[in-house]
Amino acid sequence: GAVVSQHPSRVICKSGTSVKIECRSLDFQATTMFWYRQFPKQSLMLMATSNEGSKATYEQGVEKDKFLINHASLTLSTLTVTSAHPEDSSFYICSALLDREDYGYTFGSGTRLTVV
Amino acid sequence: RKEVEQDPGPFNVPEGATVAFNCTYSNSASQSFFWYRQDCRKEPKLLMSVYSSGNEDGRFTAQLNRASQYISLLIRDSKLSDSATYLCVVAYYGGSQGNLIFGKGTKLSVKP
Repeated sequence: GAVVSQHPSRVICKSGTSVKIECRSLDFQATTMFWYRQFPKQSLMLMATSNEGSKATYEQGVEKDKFLINHASLTLSTLTVTSAHPEDSSFYICSALLDREDYGYTFGSGTRLTVV
Repeated sequence: RKEVEQDPGPFNVPEGATVAFNCTYSNSASQSFFWYRQDCRKEPKLLMSVYSSGNEDGRFTAQLNRASQYISLLIRDSKLSDSATYLCVVAYYGGSQGNLIFGKGTKLSVKP
């Protein structure tokens, strides 16, 4: 149980275009989702925390107008990279916080974005 | 000082070897600790939680020293399939939310 489906797994887009990444919780309700970014040989860095029905909380240095997060339902959170640039090329992963006492997490399979 | 620090490796070991990874964290308010495994270009997957009393899961043993702010992972009898990057992860909790801080990971390569 507790599976998060993330897609697309891989996307190549042109500079200036927008890309939407979806994360769906398949068998549970995800009140809170986290979006991470990982550059090569770097650790996962938290970009933002999204709560269903409210505005996302962005980490320092992450442009909220560039990385639009929508968490309109308990099973779907989306990250839209707007006006993508080559430096946005990265591995983006979502994670859902499981509503358990031990605060378990489950991760999506990740999206590799390449902006050309 | 970085919040979670790990030796990046790579650790190149033969099959059957015992290998140990270390991790230090800077924030004494850290509340939970984990080791995740990440295969190349894949998402991280939870390997095991780390408890104050130390815990073991098959060939894997995790230790936590809160006084020294130090976490370790020991892998015995290494298998080829253990080759991956091992991420030390520290969690902070506030209200109903959690926040994971990842180390950069230690790369392990097990050779035949």
